[in-house]
Amino acid sequence: GQNIDQPTEMTATEGAIVQINCTYQTSGFNGLFWYQQHAGEAPTFLSYNVLDGLEEKGRFSSFLSRSKGYSYLLLKELQMKDSASYLCAVRDSNYQLIWGAGTKLIIKP
Amino acid sequence: IAGITQAPTSQILAAGRRMTLRCTQDMRHNAMYWYRQDLGLGLRLIHYSNTAGTTGKGEVPDGYSVSRANTDDFPLTLASAVPSQTSVYFCASSDGGTGADTQYFGPGTRLTVL
Repeated sequence: GQNIDQPTEMTATEGAIVQINCTYQTSGFNGLFWYQQHAGEAPTFLSYNVLDGLEEKGRFSSFLSRSKGYSYLLLKELQMKDSASYLCAVRDSNYQLIWGAGTKLIIKP
Repeated sequence: IAGITQAPTSQILAAGRRMTLRCTQDMRHNAMYWYRQDLGLGLRLIHYSNTAGTTGKGEVPDGYSVSRANTDDFPLTLASAVPSQTSVYFCASSDGGTGADTQYFGPGTRLTVL
């Protein structure tokens, strides 16, 4: 079966750095996505990795290791508005997205 | 219209009733998708359409049907609603090309079936 694993919930302090991990087992791999979802809202695209390595985009970075079936999302200089759920999704061999259940990130002052 | 719109925003429905959730996009995207999101579970694909005139089944298609008569609209119909279809429904679209082919989501419809 196909599986995406993420921690259910994480807590971090404003101004700090947090790393959200995602491990996956899918039938094929055609890219990994991170989305942000604020409570009661739609998911919004954050990043896309298809090759191994780190992709940096402002305060957010995403890393991929295809051999380990592993990715992480790194958020720096945390702000209160970063409190949200972060969804990891993998595009499988059928070009469909398989989604993790999401990691709820709580930012404390 | 900018992006993807969904209607209604929320709905309470009696079991056994028929319901159509509407989705319209103005980005001229080829591909469209319907997902349901339930607490503790990832987004699950119900149906998709790679281009106008074609549709396909996702992970959880039973009890749902879709049509894609044109590029912009992708309605989802529950023929006879059941309580297990209580969920938040998201419509999404993507260009359908190569590369990232990022999916963009509508605001969602919160459906309660009693």
